Amino acid sequence: DGGITQSPKYLFRKEGQNVTLSCEQNLNHDAMYWYRQDPGQGLRLIYYSQIVNDFQKGDIAEGYSVSREKKESFPLTVTSAQKNPTAFYLCASSESVSTNEKLFFGSGTQLSVL
Amino acid sequence: GESVGLHLPTLSVQEGDNSIINCAYSNSASDYFIWYKQESGKGPQFIIDIRSNMDKRQGQRVTVLLNKTVKHLSLQIAATQPGDSAVYFCAENSLNYGGATNKLIFGTGTLLAVQP
Repeated sequence: DGGITQSPKYLFRKEGQNVTLSCEQNLNHDAMYWYRQDPGQGLRLIYYSQIVNDFQKGDIAEGYSVSREKKESFPLTVTSAQKNPTAFYLCASSESVSTNEKLFFGSGTQLSVL
Repeated sequence: GESVGLHLPTLSVQEGDNSIINCAYSNSASDYFIWYKQESGKGPQFIIDIRSNMDKRQGQRVTVLLNKTVKHLSLQIAATQPGDSAVYFCAENSLNYGGATNKLIFGTGTLLAVQP
């Protein structure tokens, strides 16, 4: 998984519940990202972080929150405001957010609603 | 708007044959393209990339071709093996998102099925 660890692999959410997905990287990368993957669709950017204590909204940030208190960690919280949370969530990192940087991905977390 | 799409959602090939996976992109300003391989239940793995100042780049058993005139990208896999079975995504780097931010726009993917 290129030094990016996501956990858990499977997660179930009850209605009205917030859940947090973990992402840790040991690649010493400055930039980290969260993507959502739905069947038949391309990856969509939820949030990204260029550096510790900084993060920016992506294309579909509503109903999600993140933090970046450490360089290695970029957890994603799926809040109760996200009405359609069932998806495969992918965390990624790159050396920076400058152009032309390839992303390294974790193995993903499958979130389902009970 | 920007989009990255694939011509064929599923490609079935015989083991040992060459595979060609195609991708169309719409943003002529994109200058960096990547192919990823994603096996079932796993995250995408980087395969090969190419910059817009090139039209061909080769890796181990893979070649990426870029035709900027028609905004077309292809991935060629030589002597396809069962282990190549996966979904393949192309992605383009958009320079118009938040300044210099690296935003990759992903295609929907092509499923490559290798028949023994």
